[in-house]
Amino acid sequence: GEDVEQSLFLSVREGDSSVINCTYTDSSSTYLYWYKQEPGAGLQLLTYIFSNMDMKQDQRLTVLLNKKDKHLSLRIADTQTGDSAIYFCAEKGTGTASKLTFGTGTRLQVTL
Amino acid sequence: DTAVSQTPKYLVTQMGNDKSIKCEQNLGHDTMYWYKQDSKKFLKIMFSYNNKELIINETVPNRFSPKSPDKAHLNLHINSLELGDSAVYFCASSQFKNGPQETQYFGPGTRLLVL
Repeated sequence: GEDVEQSLFLSVREGDSSVINCTYTDSSSTYLYWYKQEPGAGLQLLTYIFSNMDMKQDQRLTVLLNKKDKHLSLRIADTQTGDSAIYFCAEKGTGTASKLTFGTGTRLQVTL
Repeated sequence: DTAVSQTPKYLVTQMGNDKSIKCEQNLGHDTMYWYKQDSKKFLKIMFSYNNKELIINETVPNRFSPKSPDKAHLNLHINSLELGDSAVYFCASSQFKNGPQETQYFGPGTRLLVL
């Protein structure tokens, strides 16, 4: 079955760049997503990338996809304290059942 | 104008009770989902309905029964609650498209605590 892995924790200083990594096993993934979960809140879609792309930039966010290695990363430029949250990557396979398989989540802590 | 809403936000109940969680979306989507997030923040899909028809049913105990009265609503009823049911339950919705991206939008979650 599908498996999506992330490192559990990342700490960065305010103003630095953050890079959150994700690996997945389903080679038929069509779309890959990054969601943000702030404490006590729901999941907010940040960005997504189609599997035939290798990079997508959206303001401070850059998504890189290495399909050969099944590796996805999210880079946050100029990280702010408001970026402190848990970040989930998720992959969507093919088929009519639109199931998202989520990673284990990476807790990003931004320090002053 | 909340896109995906859930009630209640918090639910504290005794073991053995039966409870329901409601979800509504005003996005005009035709597909709705229930996810469970455990204490370690691991998120896993439970059910999905497309046009009121069950399309995803993961390995979930029979005590959990989803009901979709219409495309805008997906409720979750849980019988004989157990301690292990304590979690945050998220509802989500999306518009099914034949092939391309179907972004899922999530509700704020219902925090269930079984004592």
